[in-house]
Amino acid sequence: NAGVTQTPKFQVLKTGQSMTLQCAQDMNHNSMYWYRQDPGMGLRLIYYSASEGTTDKGEVPNGYNVSRLNKREFSLRLESAAPSQTSVYFCASRGSGRKNTEAFFGQGTRLTVV
Amino acid sequence: QKEVEQNSGPLSVPEGAIASLNCTYSDRGSQSFFWYRQYSGKSPELIMSIYSNGDKEDGRFTAQLNKASQYVSLLIRESQPSDSATYLCAAAGGTSYGKLTFGQGTILTVHP
Repeated sequence: NAGVTQTPKFQVLKTGQSMTLQCAQDMNHNSMYWYRQDPGMGLRLIYYSASEGTTDKGEVPNGYNVSRLNKREFSLRLESAAPSQTSVYFCASRGSGRKNTEAFFGQGTRLTVV
Repeated sequence: QKEVEQNSGPLSVPEGAIASLNCTYSDRGSQSFFWYRQYSGKSPELIMSIYSNGDKEDGRFTAQLNKASQYVSLLIRESQPSDSATYLCAAAGGTSYGKLTFGQGTILTVHP
C-alpha cells in the first residue's frame, strides 16, 4: 500500500521555467491538498480539492494552478517559476466522514528556483 | 488573522517534564482537529485527532479541545529527547467544505 506518492522528490528550475508536480493516492480518499512549507511558516495551503471535479484556492494560490485529473491524482503546476516559489511542497489526501479523517502526506518535493 | 495559530516557540523542556502546546482557530464551524509531528526533513505524521470537547488520551499524549474558546492543546508527559520535533496543529470541517488548515508549527526541544 503506497499511500500518497509525489514526484519528483527534488527539482531545480530556472526562473521562468514551468513544471508540474504529480501526486497520486491509493486510499480512495475524496479530498486532496497541496501545501508549501517554508522555514517558520508551518504548512500553507496552496489549493485543495474536496472531491473529484472541484478545486478551491487556499492561502497562497498565486503563481500556481492545479488539476484534479481523477479521484486518485491531483497535480500542481508552476507556469513561470520564480525564486519566491523555492520551497518544500507536500501533497496530502484525506477521507470524508465525521471521524477518522486525518490527512496522509506524501514524502515532499524540494524545489529550488534559481 | 491566520485561521489556525499556535503558541510561539521554540519550546524547550527538560527530559521527563510535561510539554504543553497550544493552538487557537478562528472558524467556529471547525469540527475536526489534529496534531501532527514533523521531524526535520520528513513528512508530517499524525499524533492525535480530536472531535469532541474535553480530553483525549493516548499513551503519553493528551489532546484537549474547548470549542467555546476555540482552543486546542497537546500535552506530552514524560518528554523524551525523541519528542524533539516540530508540532503542527490543524483544523478542518469549517465553513469551507473539505479545507484543512495548519498553524505555523511549534518547535519543541527536549534536552537530556
